[in-house]
Amino acid sequence: EDKVVQSPLSLVVHEGDTVTLNCSYEVTNFRSLLWYKQEKKAPTFLFMLTSSGIEKKSGRLSSILDKKELSSILNITATQTGDSAIYLCAVVAGGTSYGKLTFGQGTILTVHP
Amino acid sequence: DTGVSQDPRHKITKRGQNVTFRCDPISEHNRLYWYRQTLGQGPEFLTYFQNEAQLEKSRLLSDRFSAERPKGSFSTLEIQRTEQGDSAMYLCASSRLAGGPGAETQYFGPGTRLLVL
Repeated sequence: EDKVVQSPLSLVVHEGDTVTLNCSYEVTNFRSLLWYKQEKKAPTFLFMLTSSGIEKKSGRLSSILDKKELSSILNITATQTGDSAIYLCAVVAGGTSYGKLTFGQGTILTVHP
Repeated sequence: DTGVSQDPRHKITKRGQNVTFRCDPISEHNRLYWYRQTLGQGPEFLTYFQNEAQLEKSRLLSDRFSAERPKGSFSTLEIQRTEQGDSAMYLCASSRLAGGPGAETQYFGPGTRLLVL
C-alpha cells in the first residue's frame, strides 16, 4: 500500500524564520509528488515535482524532489503570519492506481508575529 | 475560469438519514475525484471518474456510499443511513485528462463539512 509520511507534524516559528518541511514516500510506480497549502478550507496547489534534483520556486517557497531518497522538502524563507497553514504532501502512482493522490498527514505551521 | 464548486458547504444531519453532496468540476477537466478528510489527517481517496466512468473506488467506500457522474460533468456523492463516523470534510477535486504535462495536478473545491448527530 502506498504511504506518505511528513515531518515534523507541527512547527511554531516567528516571522522572518526559514522553515524546511519534509515528505517521504513509499509508492509503487511513482509518477509525481505534489505540495498543497491548506488554510481553513480546501487545499490549494503549490508545486508538482516529477524529476529528481530540479527545484521549483514560487516567491519565498521552493521545493525539490530526491527520487533516490524517496523524499521531498518544502522550504519557506522569511516566513510571514500568512504562511500559517497545514502543508500537505501527496504522491501520484502509476499503474491501476493512476490518478489518485495519496496524502501525508500534513505539517501544521504556525508563524507568530 | 471558475474553480471547483461544491454544494452544500455545510450539512448537519441525524444518524440514519441520507445525504447527497454535489461537485461541479473545472469545465474542461475530464477527471473528478472525491476525498474525505477528518481532523488532523490528510485527505483520503474515495473514488474517481474519468468522464462518466467510475474507474476506481477505495475500500473506504462502504456500500452505504455511492457516487455518480451521469453526463461526465457534475458529480454527486450520496451517503445512506449516515453514521457518526461519517462526520468529516468531503472534498472534490478535478484534473485534466491524463497524459499531458501537469495532468496529475488536482484542483480542489471548498469541501462539504458533514456533521452527523
